[in-house]
Amino acid sequence: RKEVEQDPGPFNVPEGATVAFNCTYSNSASQSFFWYRQDCRKEPKLLMSVYSSGNEDGRFTAQLNRASQYISLLIRDSKLSDSATYLCVVNMGTDKLIFGTGTRLQVFP
Amino acid sequence: ETGVTQTPRHLVMGMTNKKSLKCEQHLGHNAMYWYKQSAKKPLELMFVYNFKEQTENNSVPSRFSPECPNSSHLFLHLHTLQPEDSALYLCATTANIGSGQPQHFGDGTRLSIL
Repeated sequence: RKEVEQDPGPFNVPEGATVAFNCTYSNSASQSFFWYRQDCRKEPKLLMSVYSSGNEDGRFTAQLNRASQYISLLIRDSKLSDSATYLCVVNMGTDKLIFGTGTRLQVFP
Repeated sequence: ETGVTQTPRHLVMGMTNKKSLKCEQHLGHNAMYWYKQSAKKPLELMFVYNFKEQTENNSVPSRFSPECPNSSHLFLHLHTLQPEDSALYLCATTANIGSGQPQHFGDGTRLSIL
């Protein structure tokens, strides 16, 4: 089983749609969690950290369920500029980040 | 604009060449990392440096040799690479190791081995 699993997509959605990505992780000792965004041929950029209580940043909402070892990212009112690959990232507490393969999102007009 | 700068952005080299990748950070962070990103694979951690000392080598072949002369600079020396080493090489930093804080990435060096 992969340490961090994501649906690779692609998710093709129209502008204005709501889209949700899921991620599962295998190691229950994982300590912190992040969503990164990576544009084609660019470096990953931090989108948001993920907390057990859930957190929201504008149109983006992240949730963590430690019991189920599950992380989600919800994007509301999708924009064309949201088209990218979204990486689920788990920190094992030793600063060893484990990356998922990413979920590709394509927003069309 | 990233506070982590990598050079060169692109590198094409033969298998017998020797080259170096450079990473420079202006964030005042203490931990620096090298990652490899191959096509359709997740990012793989290669090396970790904390206050200039290497703290992790993730079973990386010896044809990759890291160097961290100070907390602002990190190098990856390359020699006798293989075609499967073609990938995007990313440098990242974090303020303090073990803090659980997110890492900040440079824009990477895209390496092609002929």
